[in-house]
Amino acid sequence: EPEVTQTPSHQVTQMGQEVILRCVPISNHLYFYWYRQILGQKVEFLVSFYNNEISEKSEIFDDQFSVERPDGSNFTLKIRSTKLEDSAMYFCASLGQGNQPQHFGDGTRLSIL
Amino acid sequence: DQQVKQNSPSLSVQEGRISILNCDYTNSMFDYFLWYKKYPAEGPTFLISISSIKDKNEDGRFTVFLNKSAKHLSLHIVPSQPGDSAVYFCAASDAGGTSYGKLTFGQGTILTVHP
Repeated sequence: EPEVTQTPSHQVTQMGQEVILRCVPISNHLYFYWYRQILGQKVEFLVSFYNNEISEKSEIFDDQFSVERPDGSNFTLKIRSTKLEDSAMYFCASLGQGNQPQHFGDGTRLSIL
Repeated sequence: DQQVKQNSPSLSVQEGRISILNCDYTNSMFDYFLWYKKYPAEGPTFLISISSIKDKNEDGRFTVFLNKSAKHLSLHIVPSQPGDSAVYFCAASDAGGTSYGKLTFGQGTILTVHP
């Protein structure tokens, strides 16, 4: 079964540094999402992306965050200047059609020191 | 943000018995609901969904019931198996009965199925 692939599985970064989380969505999917889960808290929506632009974003997704689909396969989340509170599991998801579920990757654990 | 709530942090069930996981929501605009299962170090895996035009959807051992007036849904697993032990998340969308939009998640319920 096709999978959403995320790399790296664990990223350790110094506070203030830029970090890029990478995702390869399922190949024929057109809708892409980022979520995060801070330890002990709910999975939270960050941003959705369709047709090369952001469809919706949450309050968490401020100017420090950006998303990009640089080629036909990758979907990236960039955090420009990381803060301690950005430490979380970041999940990428993709969707083919609306009557199907969003498919999630296994996540990237981001640790900010 | 308490729009989707799973009030039971954990549930323990004997193998072969029924597991019932509950979820409440407050946003009346939600019209599509999903259950995901999550193992440690993995992402959420889709289990079953239901549109607000239905009150029941069944897939093998998994059945989801939706009570719109009570803003409540439940997931029934019958019979429960040890491999079902995982965290179960309820999620909701308000994108016209589809999952195009953002998903709002509950806190999750840890299900343990004992042999």
